[in-house]
Amino acid sequence: ILNVEQSPQSLHVQEGDSTNFTCSFPSSNFYALHWYRWETAKSPEALFVMTLNGDEKKKGRISATLNTKEGYSYLYIKGSQPEDSATYLCAFILTNAGKSTFGDGTTLTVKP
Amino acid sequence: NAGVTQTPKFRVLKTGQSMTLLCAQDMNHEYMYWYRQDPGMGLRLIHYSVGEGTTAKGEVPDGYNVSRLKKQNFLLGLESAAPSQTSVYFCASNDSRNQPQHFGDGTRLSIL
Repeated sequence: ILNVEQSPQSLHVQEGDSTNFTCSFPSSNFYALHWYRWETAKSPEALFVMTLNGDEKKKGRISATLNTKEGYSYLYIKGSQPEDSATYLCAFILTNAGKSTFGDGTTLTVKP
Repeated sequence: NAGVTQTPKFRVLKTGQSMTLLCAQDMNHEYMYWYRQDPGMGLRLIHYSVGEGTTAKGEVPDGYNVSRLKKQNFLLGLESAAPSQTSVYFCASNDSRNQPQHFGDGTRLSIL
């Protein structure tokens, strides 16, 4: 079983704060990493697909970086808003695997 | 545009009963997945399929069976339901391992 770890498990910030969380994964046989946003009572929705070492992706106030050699990815949220409150999942895909392994997620709560 | 549709949305079973959860996707995706999500945990893969007629075990396959007779449908069966199978079940699909997964809205299953 692959070990995909996300930290912290939960995070409470004030509106306007910037924040970041980490996804750690095995550094060998990397194929791709996906970030998802999962709002309460909804289903996960994809944020980013990351495939190359050094990748940086951005969508509005949210961005992500990837380091495949050391086995981690960071997700950053600049100027958090209450609507950013959600669980953020990362999913690691191995070379030659037909499936993703998900971390347990980081749950972000942004207080107005 | 339906995407991934799961039926039923809710179900209550008695221990020992059997049932089948249906997942249907209209995006012509090759890969399909069944996950369960329990409180405090992320998504755990039960079974998956890399194409019509194929199935493979995930992390937690015991007590479940699956079939992929048609490309658009992926069925998850519980032969003899147990209280430990009380969970929220999510189906997902994608066109290739590199692409993010599209999720259904989930099925909330309670086993008494």
